[in-house]
Amino acid sequence: DQQVKQNSPSLSVQEGRISILNCDYTNSMFDYFLWYKKYPAEGPTFLISISSIKDKNEDGRFTVFLNKSAKHLSLHIVPSQPGDSAVYFCAARMDSSYKLIFGSGTRLLVRP
Amino acid sequence: EPEVTQTPSHQVTQMGQEVILRCVPISNHLYFYWYRQILGQKVEFLVSFYNNEISEKSEIFDDQFSVERPDGSNFTLKIRSTKLEDSAMYFCASSETPDVSYEQYFGPGTRLTVT
Repeated sequence: DQQVKQNSPSLSVQEGRISILNCDYTNSMFDYFLWYKKYPAEGPTFLISISSIKDKNEDGRFTVFLNKSAKHLSLHIVPSQPGDSAVYFCAARMDSSYKLIFGSGTRLLVRP
Repeated sequence: EPEVTQTPSHQVTQMGQEVILRCVPISNHLYFYWYRQILGQKVEFLVSFYNNEISEKSEIFDDQFSVERPDGSNFTLKIRSTKLEDSAMYFCASSETPDVSYEQYFGPGTRLTVT
């Protein structure tokens, strides 16, 4: 199932700098997009989401941008902190379905 | 903060055996889900459950799988006759409503190893 893709398996940034995590999707019927963060030995934790009718949603240090024409979304973390080091999953959902469709994840390392 | 809990954290079983994975969803949530993640692969949806019925299931969720809410707090996933390829991390999730804007809260997972 390649409907949601995260093409970068890993990303390393310096503490205090911006982290940009990218996600592409193929299904134009998705209504909602979510970012989850996952630490080892824990389940995915919800971070931030965006409706398909919006192009930006901000929550503290986290901002998600949606470009529907390009079928692309990105998560910006500013400033990055060492505690942000985790695997970040992009996920999408349709209104007509209960299931979340996940990307393969991007491992973020924030260096002190 | 309320959380989804899962037991056991790790289950080892022999091929052909039945396993039951247990979950306690967040108490005021009414919608329950199972996902799994095979090592090195994506998190995949298995099934959603509401009002004692399956509301949606994936192609993976075949006759070997079943779900149940045996009491007011537990939600279980049963695999009748395990196969080697069932080895994966199984995540339970719950949500307050099925509304697309309501996030699903995930438990820490049960690692199932089939030998």
